[in-house]
Amino acid sequence: AQSVTQPDIHITVSEGASLELRCNYSYGATPYLFWYVQSPGQGLQLLLKYFSGDTLVQGIKGFEAEFKRSQSSFNLRKPSVHWSDAAEYFCAVGEGGYNKLIFGAGTRLAVHP
Amino acid sequence: DVKVTQSSRYLVKRTGEKVFLECVQDMDHENMFWYRQDPGLGLRLIYFSYDVKMKEKGDIPEGYSVSREKKERFSLILESASTNQTSMYLCASSLLLRESEQYFGPGTRLTVT
Repeated sequence: AQSVTQPDIHITVSEGASLELRCNYSYGATPYLFWYVQSPGQGLQLLLKYFSGDTLVQGIKGFEAEFKRSQSSFNLRKPSVHWSDAAEYFCAVGEGGYNKLIFGAGTRLAVHP
Repeated sequence: DVKVTQSSRYLVKRTGEKVFLECVQDMDHENMFWYRQDPGLGLRLIYFSYDVKMKEKGDIPEGYSVSREKKERFSLILESASTNQTSMYLCASSLLLRESEQYFGPGTRLTVT
């Protein structure tokens, strides 16, 4: 069965430091991959998505992610974290023909001043 | 600006009550989804609908039903609420295409006592 693993439940970084959130997926075909962010008390907002083509994709708020087929990974990165980036981040893979998504358990990011 | 709205942000119900959670989207999307979100488990799909009056079970449909009488509205029904259905419920919508982004509502935090 398809699955998404986010190995880090909590991550704490200092403001200005770089960030990498890990995501590994299990999917038989070419995956459709997404990163969403959830600020406290809010719904989910799309950061970026990968369908095909260039394996390095740019998103909103200065985030990027790199698709590595050989490692079944789609890690999210940001070169310099801002305090407003504190949130929960979800990786997801698209499954089937109806745009169903399978989500990872999420990574909660805390940012120290 | 695209919008998915949910009828309540917070809801408290008693065990055994019938509960209705309403979701409305204004984007003319074909797909609509109901998820529940629990700490450490990410988002899990309860039901989804790809057209009016059409529905499909997701990964955890037990104890829930849905209704989609109009394209813009998708209701989640808890026939007899139980304490293990205390959770955050998120509604989403998307176009039918597999690579389409899902747009999320702000969520309803349901407590069953």
